[in-house]
Amino acid sequence: NAGVTQTPKFRVLKTGQSMTLLCAQDMNHEYMYWYRQDPGMGLRLIHYSVGEGTTAKGEVPDGYNVSRLKKQNFLLGLESAAPSQTSVYFCASSKGRGYTFGSGTRLTVV
Amino acid sequence: TQLLEQSPQFLSIQEGENLTVYCNSSSVFSSLQWYRQEPGEGPVLLVTVVTGGEVKKLKRLTFQFGDARKDSSLHITAAQPGDTGLYLCAGGQGAQKLVFGQGTRLTINP
Repeated sequence: NAGVTQTPKFRVLKTGQSMTLLCAQDMNHEYMYWYRQDPGMGLRLIHYSVGEGTTAKGEVPDGYNVSRLKKQNFLLGLESAAPSQTSVYFCASSKGRGYTFGSGTRLTVV
Repeated sequence: TQLLEQSPQFLSIQEGENLTVYCNSSSVFSSLQWYRQEPGEGPVLLVTVVTGGEVKKLKRLTFQFGDARKDSSLHITAAQPGDTGLYLCAGGQGAQKLVFGQGTRLTINP
């Protein structure tokens, strides 16, 4: 049972480039989330989804877009990357109170 | 945005000692969760507490939810090197969303 799988694990982007981070879960969870983790700031919610075809903004949504076309997948897009988006990105899914996290994507924007 | 403050942010102790980590807020949460995160991995759920005053034990770890559901503590008895990691508390909000504290980085020295 894979749980939550994030791809890629590492990526370096140049300022202005775009990319998509993929999150896939095989637990049939309704809820999915994208967080970013920066030193000393914990995990901050970017966007989330309460079901297939629905998305909503979290605490720090600017510069990011998301899509949930299939229940098992949640995509995070960066249209024009900026150095401030250098971070570790975590996807999580849930059917109740507890989250299952992926192992993260370390993104560096130069 | 509801905030969760964890203290201390860093803690380094010797094997066999006891320790307590605190998670405080001015807001009431529907539930409080604790996660442990190891380098290069996503957070892993340790426990969920939902009732004011609730105490849960997980081997040498004791978790307590404050009576007013605004704070929580994690107590580790006879700490071991395997307890080393980043401990995160998270408070439950609507739509199954969680707000995370900034974390306590715990190091247990042999």
